[in-house]
Amino acid sequence: AQKVTQAQTEISVVEKEDVTLDCVYETRDTTYYLFWYKQPPSGELVFLIRRNSFDEQNEISGRYSWNFQKSTSSFNFTITASQVVDSAVYFCALSEDYYNTDKLIFGTGTRLQVFP
Amino acid sequence: GAVVSQHPSRVICKSGTSVKIECRSLDFQATTMFWYRQFPKQSLMLMATSNEGSKATYEQGVEKDKFLINHASLTLSTLTVTSAHPEDSSFYICSARMAGVSNQPQHFGDGTRLSIL
Repeated sequence: AQKVTQAQTEISVVEKEDVTLDCVYETRDTTYYLFWYKQPPSGELVFLIRRNSFDEQNEISGRYSWNFQKSTSSFNFTITASQVVDSAVYFCALSEDYYNTDKLIFGTGTRLQVFP
Repeated sequence: GAVVSQHPSRVICKSGTSVKIECRSLDFQATTMFWYRQFPKQSLMLMATSNEGSKATYEQGVEKDKFLINHASLTLSTLTVTSAHPEDSSFYICSARMAGVSNQPQHFGDGTRLSIL
C-alpha cells in the first residue's frame, strides 16, 4: 500500500536559518510521482514541485531545493535562508498513476514557523 | 498558469442545511476533478473523484448520499453536503486535472471552510 510519512509535525526556526523538511514514502510501483505543496494560513494549496520516479536529479529553485533518494525512499525539501513568509504547512504527496497523476496520497504535513 | 476557482470560500450555516460548493476550472477543461476534506491540523483526505458526464467515484467510508457530487460540464463540479451537521464542519478543497493532456499535475482551488452551527 502507498503511504507518505512526514515525521516532523512542527518545526520552528529563526529567519535566515536553513531548514529541511523530511518526507519518506512507500509504494510497490516502480513508476510514480512525488509532490510538495505549501499551505499558507489562508488555506490554499500552492504547488511547489513534481518529480517522477525515474528522475533522481536534485532540483534547486531559488531558495528551495529537493533531494530525491530512491534508495531510502525519501524526497526531502530544504529551504535556504528561511523567511517569515515561508511559514506554512508543507505537504509531501505521492501519486502512483504515472500517466494521470490521480489520487494524491498526502502526508500529514509539517508546520513550519519562521520567526523574525 | 492553470487556475481553479472554488466558491464560496467560507460558509457558516445551521445544522440541517444543505450546502453546495462549486469548483470551476477557469482556463482549461477538466474531465476529472477531485474533492478533498481536511480537518484542522490534519492532512488532506481524498473524498471522491468527479468525472464529467458520469457518476463520481467515492473513497471508502465516504457517504455518497451525504456528499453529492455533480460534474455536469468540463469546467464545473459541485459538491453538496446534504443536511449538514456540526461533524461535517471542515475545510473542503477541490482540484482539477487538464483534459486530454497526459502527465499533468492537479491544480487546486482555494478551498471552502464550512462551519455548521
